[in-house]
Amino acid sequence: AQSVTQPDIHITVSEGASLELRCNYSYGATPYLFWYVQSPGQGLQLLLKYFSGDTLVQGIKGFEAEFKRSQSSFNLRKPSVHWSDAAEYFCAVVWGFKTIFGAGTRLFVKA
Amino acid sequence: NAGVTQTPKFQVLKTGQSMTLQCAQDMNHNSMYWYRQDPGMGLRLIYYSASEGTTDKGEVPNGYNVSRLNKREFSLRLESAAPSQTSVYFCATQEAKNIQYFGAGTRLSVL
Repeated sequence: AQSVTQPDIHITVSEGASLELRCNYSYGATPYLFWYVQSPGQGLQLLLKYFSGDTLVQGIKGFEAEFKRSQSSFNLRKPSVHWSDAAEYFCAVVWGFKTIFGAGTRLFVKA
Repeated sequence: NAGVTQTPKFQVLKTGQSMTLQCAQDMNHNSMYWYRQDPGMGLRLIYYSASEGTTDKGEVPNGYNVSRLNKREFSLRLESAAPSQTSVYFCATQEAKNIQYFGAGTRLSVL
């Protein structure tokens, strides 16, 4: 069955430090991959997506992600984290009409 | 442009009571979804509607029913609420490129 794994339940980084959130997926074909962000008390918002082509994709708010087929991974990165990036981040893969979400990684940013 | 609107935002029920969560969209998307979000479990799909007039079960449909009233509206009904249904419920729509757009959520407590 298709699945998405986010190994880190929560991560704490210092403001200005770099960030990498991990995502691994299980999918039999070329996946459509997404990262969503959820601020407290809000719904999810799309950060970026990968459908095909260039394996390094750029998103909003300075985020990027790299698709690595050999590792079944789609890790999210940001060179310099801002306090406003504190939120929960979800990796997701599309399967037919459905989107399968990972359990999420909560990001804490310390001053 | 309202996007995806969920009502109510908060609700407290007693065990055995019934209620309907409402979702309306003005994005003209064909597909609509109901998820529940519980700590550490990400988003789990309850029901979805690929188009007006069709509905299908997701991962956790037990205890819920849905109605796709028209293209704009997709409601979720709890016939006899149980404490295990305490959760945050999200409605989402999906465009042709598989990007999902979320409402702000309904926070439900069942006592």
